[in-house]
Amino acid sequence: GAVVSQHPSWVICKSGTSVKIECRSLDFQATTMFWYRQFPKQSLMLMATSNEGSKATYEQGVEKDKFLINHASLTLSTLTVTSAHPEDSSFYICSARDERSTYNQPQHFGDGTRLSIL
Amino acid sequence: AQRVTQPEKLLSVFKGAPVELKCNYSYSGSPELFWYVQYSRQRLQLLLRHISRESIKGFTADLNKGETSFHLKKPFAQEEDSAMYYCALMSGSEKLVFGKGTKLTVNP
Repeated sequence: GAVVSQHPSWVICKSGTSVKIECRSLDFQATTMFWYRQFPKQSLMLMATSNEGSKATYEQGVEKDKFLINHASLTLSTLTVTSAHPEDSSFYICSARDERSTYNQPQHFGDGTRLSIL
Repeated sequence: AQRVTQPEKLLSVFKGAPVELKCNYSYSGSPELFWYVQYSRQRLQLLLRHISRESIKGFTADLNKGETSFHLKKPFAQEEDSAMYYCALMSGSEKLVFGKGTKLTVNP
């Protein structure tokens, strides 16, 4: 089945540093990937839609300069949290759409990345 | 506005008992609804979608447009059903809007 790999699974870093999270579709091509943020005991909130070869579409209230998204190939999207601060600590999850099997599985999810900013 | 409401944060039942996880939605168009499940330490995965009208792992969900509901049901809960369940709605732009989730615990 379609697999989405997310890396790293956990990162701890100092305030002010930038952190890059990768999302890869391992056995299918994904023109569209999605980035979500999940706070403890809360739901997944869509941050942005990543489109291969074009700019990401950000949801209302999400700072595009803070959360840089790059989708340079059909199998890789990256989310960079720039100048991260403690309030950016969260669980970040990506998903990818496999156009071949939209009927059965609209989005495949990665394992998520737990980001902790000290 | 699109909104998915799961009124129960926690639901606890005994093994063999029926279980129903509630989901209500708000959407002006024709909705496409899903149930996702997240087992402990695992990724989110699709359980079922209303279009396919399947029964997965004994779970079913019927879309009731009159009540704007998509409740998830299983007649006899098993311990391995213990997980976090999310109801989600797909908009025309193919974005998923998730409910806050219900943590189901099936006790032996």
